[in-house]
Amino acid sequence: DIQMTQSPSTLSVSVGDRVTITCRASQSISGWVAWYQQKPGKAPKLLIYKASTLKSGVPSRFSGSGSGTEFTLTISSLQPDDFATYYCQQYNSFGQGTKLEIK
Amino acid sequence: QITLKESGPTLVKPTQTLTLTCTFSGFSLTTSTVGVGWIRQPPGKALEWLALIYGDGDKHYSPSLKSRLTVTKDTSENQVVLTMTNMAPVDTATYYCAQSIRVVLAGSNWFDPWGQGTLVTVSS
Repeated sequence: DIQMTQSPSTLSVSVGDRVTITCRASQSISGWVAWYQQKPGKAPKLLIYKASTLKSGVPSRFSGSGSGTEFTLTISSLQPDDFATYYCQQYNSFGQGTKLEIK
Repeated sequence: QITLKESGPTLVKPTQTLTLTCTFSGFSLTTSTVGVGWIRQPPGKALEWLALIYGDGDKHYSPSLKSRLTVTKDTSENQVVLTMTNMAPVDTATYYCAQSIRVVLAGSNWFDPWGQGTLVTVSS
């Protein structure tokens, strides 16, 4: 089975920062990665699928890229509402999550 | 509008079998590209993928939990049921169901939307 390794596990950031989260697959998965945002006590929400396709309604400051084994989620200018935990997913594997904390 | 909601017991004793029901609306579970998945999250920990069932009856299970899991669907009732046997305290988690959209040729999928989740505690 493919394993997804996400880094970093925690990121201390400020409003306005550019944020990059990385997910590495244990083998090539072409472009089939999804990214989710989860806030405390809430269910995850889909942000991006097929590595770079933004779900309708998701702010354009979110973007995804990558192929093969390395994928990134980028937030171009962090907003207060973006402090959350982010997960990557490929089929039956989720990354370990990246929590964005206030610096 | 697509919605999903999990239901089942909030407290289960060790060794018991857990049965959770996902009741959904806004889509039909009748095609090979649309399914319902189960994902859990222990308190303070990461998401863990459990099982998936598609409208054509195709089922997928977590390799590490496969012997304990069964997923079934009732198309007429718009429900998907997950059973997990031999529950233990380490199975304490919030259990989510979510719609899965599959890209058949790629063997991949994504989950959207998700139910609100239900917290299941395993304790004697």
